[in-house]
Amino acid sequence: DQQVKQNSPSLSVQEGRISILNCDYTNSMFDYFLWYKKYPAEGPTFLISISSIKDKNEDGRFTVFLNKSAKHLSLHIVPSQPGDSAVYFCAASAGGGNMLTFGGGTRLMVKP
Amino acid sequence: GAGVSQSPSNKVTEKGKDVELRCDPISGHTALYWYRQSLGQGLEFLIYFQGNSAPDKSGLPSDRFSAERTGGSVSTLTIQRTQQEDSAVYLCASSSMGLGTYEQYFGPGTRLTVT
Repeated sequence: DQQVKQNSPSLSVQEGRISILNCDYTNSMFDYFLWYKKYPAEGPTFLISISSIKDKNEDGRFTVFLNKSAKHLSLHIVPSQPGDSAVYFCAASAGGGNMLTFGGGTRLMVKP
Repeated sequence: GAGVSQSPSNKVTEKGKDVELRCDPISGHTALYWYRQSLGQGLEFLIYFQGNSAPDKSGLPSDRFSAERTGGSVSTLTIQRTQQEDSAVYLCASSSMGLGTYEQYFGPGTRLTVT
């Protein structure tokens, strides 16, 4: 049973437009959420995170939104750039622990 | 560099052979994790080490998989009698254990191909 799901395996966006990547979770104990970006032949790198006490966290072009009632989070990238093309993973943690549960990833392609 | 390092970067082995994958975490990080990513799949948790505590082995897919962490630093993941379904990228990550430090830092991975 997947506790963290990314239902869109891929997303294609035009450069300069907004990219919206979605993530759903089922475990109500999750209280901290992270997004990672992964380029081919490299390990995932941390992008942005959000605590369950917030509903929005912004860092430059990246904003993460959390809807606890819907158990849904999203990552907005605006404006999208070709260098943003990568696989994006959402991850969740419960109870202050370090264990992360990852989604299956969404491949973002930003076309010039 | 000061990041997580893994070796080898690529490993091709014949079915039935044993392999050892190495991870060198960030200095001072007490938590170490192993994941694997099969083709087209997400990150599958394998095992978690935290300081001197007994490791969390709940993600290991079979008893052919084992891991150890010596001296609280370097870790070795061993796969015995490899099977073709073991082919994947094996990723190691480390993190510190302060309150609220959820971020894990990943190495570049070892691509294992079992022929």
